[in-house]
Amino acid sequence: EAQVTQNPRYLITVTGKKLTVTCSQNMNHEYMSWYRQDPGLGLRQIYYSMNVEVTDKGDVPEGYKVSRKEKRNFPLILESPSPNQTSLYFCASSSITTDTQYFGPGTRLTVL
Amino acid sequence: LAKTTQPISMDSYEGQEVNITCSHNNIATNDYITWYQQFPSQGPRFIIQGYKTKVTNEVASLFIPADRKSSTLSLPRVSLSDTAVYYCLVGDTSWGNTPLVFGKGTRLSVIA
Repeated sequence: EAQVTQNPRYLITVTGKKLTVTCSQNMNHEYMSWYRQDPGLGLRQIYYSMNVEVTDKGDVPEGYKVSRKEKRNFPLILESPSPNQTSLYFCASSSITTDTQYFGPGTRLTVL
Repeated sequence: LAKTTQPISMDSYEGQEVNITCSHNNIATNDYITWYQQFPSQGPRFIIQGYKTKVTNEVASLFIPADRKSSTLSLPRVSLSDTAVYYCLVGDTSWGNTPLVFGKGTRLSVIA
């Protein structure tokens, strides 16, 4: 089944404790992206990647890092999480030949 | 990317047709119009895409006037399960361009 998976689905952590949210897709998509969603603000793009080893900042990249060492994986790294990064995070992927983005199930992160 | 404006929220009764209009006055020649649907705590999913005139699929219809400065997503005979947030996105989806950026969307509430 074609899908985007994210782990963990739920995470509660404390300020300053490094964490990684994984994202994997099995559709051989070139493009992958991370979004955060907060009440009243819609979806805001954090980082995106057009292909392996190619990443770029989205609208709200501060406090986040990403890497794209393999085509299928695009982890989101929070080196020193802060409470304002408490949010619902979505990973998405799409092929460069079409534009339909496929989203993962979401990761709800709480930073205390 | 062309900026879009859509209503923040709409209410409808079951069985009615719902039309959600999106304004995109600065749409460019190569831009397509794409709509996504998002249920609570789930990632958005693609509904429909068009360039001009009318597009219809099993879920919705998309009406685009000749000047393309707006578009209308039409949902026939909505049910409670159509309660969701609907996003209008406008951009050039051809190869090499970054996929579209989400805004705040329109929250549709279907009432029994």
